[in-house]
Amino acid sequence: EIVMTQSPATLSVSPGEGATLSCRASQSVSSNLAWYQQKPGQAPRLLIYDSSTRATGIPARFSGGGSGTEFTLTISSLQSEDFAVYYCQQYNDWPRTFGQGTKVEIK
Amino acid sequence: EVQLVESGGGLAQPGRSLRLSCTASFGDYALSWFRQAPGKGLEWVGFIRSKAYSGTTDYAASVKGRFTISRDDSRSIAYLQMNSLKTEDTAVYYCARGSGWCDYWGQGTLVTVSS
Repeated sequence: EIVMTQSPATLSVSPGEGATLSCRASQSVSSNLAWYQQKPGQAPRLLIYDSSTRATGIPARFSGGGSGTEFTLTISSLQSEDFAVYYCQQYNDWPRTFGQGTKVEIK
Repeated sequence: EVQLVESGGGLAQPGRSLRLSCTASFGDYALSWFRQAPGKGLEWVGFIRSKAYSGTTDYAASVKGRFTISRDDSRSIAYLQMNSLKTEDTAVYYCARGSGWCDYWGQGTLVTVSS
C-alpha cells in the first residue's frame, strides 16, 4: 500500500497570505494525484487532479504541482472560504490512499 | 448538475448488516465508496466499474469479504452491502463518481456500529 504523508499537520495563515501544502508518497505515483478540500460537516470537494489540473469551477488561486513522490498544493492568497482541511490522494495504485490531511486555519 | 444522494445509514449492532444506497445518474462512470470515522481522515472502501468495463469491483483489505458493492444503472442506484459489521466500521460513508479522482460526492450518511 502506498503511504501518503502530508505536512504540515496544521498551517496558520492570515487572510490574503499564500500557503503551500506538501504531500509525499512512499513510492512513485507518477502524476496520479488529487487534492480535495473539506469543510466541517461537508463532503470533500475535488480541487486538483493529475497533480496540476484544476477541477471545474476551482479558482485560479489554487495550483498543484509535482510528480513521482513529491507534490504541493499552493493557495496564492487565502480567502475566508479557503480555511478548511486539505487531503491529497493517490490513484496510481490500489488501494487508493489519502494523506492524513492538512488543516489550514486562520492566524 | 450531477448529484449523488446516499441513504440507509443508522445504528447497527456488531455482527449485523446494513445496506447503503447511492442514487445518481452514473452513466458510464465508475462509482467509489469512501468513509470517514469521527474526527479522522478519508479512507477508500471500494469501487465498481461501469457495465462497459464489466462492472467488476475491488475493495479495501479492511472490508474485503464483508462489504459488497453493486449497481443498478436502470434505476440509477448503487449499493454498499455491509455485513458482519464491526465497531471500527463506524463512519460517515460517501459515494463518489469515478475510480481515480472523484469529481462529485454525495453528502454522506452516518453509520454507527454499537451494542
